[in-house]
Amino acid sequence: QKEVEQDPGPLSVPEGAIVSLNCTYSNSAFQYFMWYRQYSRKGPELLMYTYSSGNKEDGRFTAQVDKSSKYISLFIRDSQPSDSATYLCAMSGLISSGSARQLTFGSGTQLTVLP
Amino acid sequence: GAGVSQSPSNKVTEKGKDVELRCDPISGHTALYWYRQSLGQGLEFLIYFQGNSAPDKSGLPSDRFSAERTGGSVSTLTIQRTQQEDSAVYLCASSLGRLVEYFGPGTRLTVL
Repeated sequence: QKEVEQDPGPLSVPEGAIVSLNCTYSNSAFQYFMWYRQYSRKGPELLMYTYSSGNKEDGRFTAQVDKSSKYISLFIRDSQPSDSATYLCAMSGLISSGSARQLTFGSGTQLTVLP
Repeated sequence: GAGVSQSPSNKVTEKGKDVELRCDPISGHTALYWYRQSLGQGLEFLIYFQGNSAPDKSGLPSDRFSAERTGGSVSTLTIQRTQQEDSAVYLCASSLGRLVEYFGPGTRLTVL
C-alpha cells in the first residue's frame, strides 16, 4: 500500500462547477499538507499548504485536512477552463532543515474544466 | 524575475550513455532539489542541497546518479550508464524557506 493514495481521474467538469480533489494517507506522522498544480509539460507549482487539521481558503481554493480520517481535500469553486491541470497532493512530517526527503507525493489527479 | 530553468528540455540517449542535466535556480535561493517524475507516478525525491551544507543524497536510486551544485547556484545531475528505467521527467526546484516552492519545467529523458 502506498503512503499516499490519490485518485488519478481523469476528472471532467463543466465550467462553474465545484471540484473536489482528495488524497488519503496512512502515515500518522504527516503534519504538513500541500497541493501543487501542474500544467501539461510544466513543473508543479505550489498552490496551498496547511499545517495539521482544519481549513484554509485562498480565493476560489479551499484546502481541508481531516487528520482523524487521514484524508485531505482541495475544493475549487467556480472552476474555470484555466484550472485544467494535474493536481498533486504532497505531505510531510516535521519540517526541518533536511526535510526535502520527507515530502511524499500523490500520483496526481488530472482535471479538465470544459467551457 | 526569472524562474527556475532547466536544460535541455528533452534528451534522448542510448542505453549505456552518460547524460548531464542542468538546473539554474532562482537567484538567491539557498535550497535546491532534484525530483524524478515517471508516467502516472508521483514525484520521487532524488537529492537536496541547502547552502554550503553537505547534500542530502538519500533519494538517489543508485551510484550511477550523482549531482553537484557549484557556487551555491547552478546544479548538474549526472546519470552514468543510463538504463531504460531511467526514462522520466527530471524536475529541479528551488526555494528560500523549507517548502518546495518553485519547480522548473523539467528535462524529459528518454533512454532507448
